Amino acid sequence: EPEVTQTPSHQVTQMGQEVILRCVPISNHLYFYWYRQILGQKVEFLVSFYNNEISEKSEIFDDQFSVERPDGSNFTLKIRSTKLEDSAMYFCASTSTDTQYFGPGTRLTVL
Amino acid sequence: AQSVTQPDIHITVSEGASLELRCNYSYGATPYLFWYVQSPGQGLQLLLKYFSGDTLVQGIKGFEAEFKRSQSSFNLRKPSVHWSDAAEYFCAVEKDGSEKLVFGKGTKLTVNP
Repeated sequence: EPEVTQTPSHQVTQMGQEVILRCVPISNHLYFYWYRQILGQKVEFLVSFYNNEISEKSEIFDDQFSVERPDGSNFTLKIRSTKLEDSAMYFCASTSTDTQYFGPGTRLTVL
Repeated sequence: AQSVTQPDIHITVSEGASLELRCNYSYGATPYLFWYVQSPGQGLQLLLKYFSGDTLVQGIKGFEAEFKRSQSSFNLRKPSVHWSDAAEYFCAVEKDGSEKLVFGKGTKLTVNP
């Protein structure tokens, strides 16, 4: 069964550094998403992406964040200058219809 | 704005007992409704979904959920819980016309032997 994959599983970085989180969506899916889950809190929507552009984003998704689909398989989330409060689990999801399928997540720790 | 409420933060049941996890949403129209499960250290796995039609939907792992429009609820049930069901369960809503899922805060399920 096809799955969404994410790398790395855990990323530790220093405050102010740039990080890139990578996702490989399910191959025939056309819509891609990033969500985050701060420890102990609910899963929150960050951004959706379709046809090589952002289709919807939350207020969390400020200028420090960007997304890209650099090739036919990868979907990345970049945080330009990480802050302590960016520490969270980041989930990638993809869909071709109405159901979003999630990856296992990347745990980002900002020190 | 739509919201999802899972009133139970933590539920403990004995193995073999029945289970019901509550979910209420606030939204004028009928949204798309989902239940996801997150095992420790894992991602979110879809258990079941409701879009329209029969209000009782069957999912994986023996779970089912019932949509009740009058109560704005979509409660998850399982007749007999297994120890492997211990996990965190999230109810989510997708508003028609939007692409984002709005999640509840989750209910952590502990299963006693």
